[in-house]
Amino acid sequence: ETGVTQSPTHLIKTRGQQVTLRCSSQSGHNTVSWYQQALGQGPQFIFQYYREEENGRGNFPPRFSGLQFPNYSSELNVNALELDDSALYLCASSLESGFTGELFFGEGSRLTVL
Amino acid sequence: QKEVEQDPGPLSVPEGAIVSLNCTYSNSAFQYFMWYRQYSRKGPELLMYTYSSGNKEDGRFTAQVDKSSKYISLFIRDSQPSDSATYLCAMSAPGNTPLVFGKGTRLSVIA
Repeated sequence: ETGVTQSPTHLIKTRGQQVTLRCSSQSGHNTVSWYQQALGQGPQFIFQYYREEENGRGNFPPRFSGLQFPNYSSELNVNALELDDSALYLCASSLESGFTGELFFGEGSRLTVL
Repeated sequence: QKEVEQDPGPLSVPEGAIVSLNCTYSNSAFQYFMWYRQYSRKGPELLMYTYSSGNKEDGRFTAQVDKSSKYISLFIRDSQPSDSATYLCAMSAPGNTPLVFGKGTRLSVIA
């Protein structure tokens, strides 16, 4: 059974650019959640996708957008990058929608915005 | 006041010590309480999961929830150097409300 995989692991962008981060969920999981973890902070919820539909969104601006594909893999897109977007972006998959079940996290994509 | 408060540490203990990690919260609707462990440069992994109040034990780990005080704890007995990691508390309410994480406490167990 493969776990959650994310790509790329590290990337550097400049302010104003756009970035796409990718996530493959654990086998059998139909729900994907994305979190932003700034240095020294806990993960902050960005949004969740269940069966290709957005199923909840945190306090992030519209330039953070996402997609889930029929195979339940997912993308996080961030437009007009700002310096404060520098963080570890974590993808987590789960067996069911909502937030009361176990989340299985990937190792994250570390984004640096210069 | 933040919804979930957690002392970031760092906390340094000798091998074999009993470790106590804590979080307080303000939202009385929280019913699901979790502890995640995050090793350096890795994603968090679920360690303990408790529904509502009470204690739960799993090997060297014990999770306690006191809803009347809005306080949760994780105890680690006979701590090992391999327990050195950041411990994140997380909680959620019934319905479609997102999981809220604490800042995490960085623990070092010294051999």
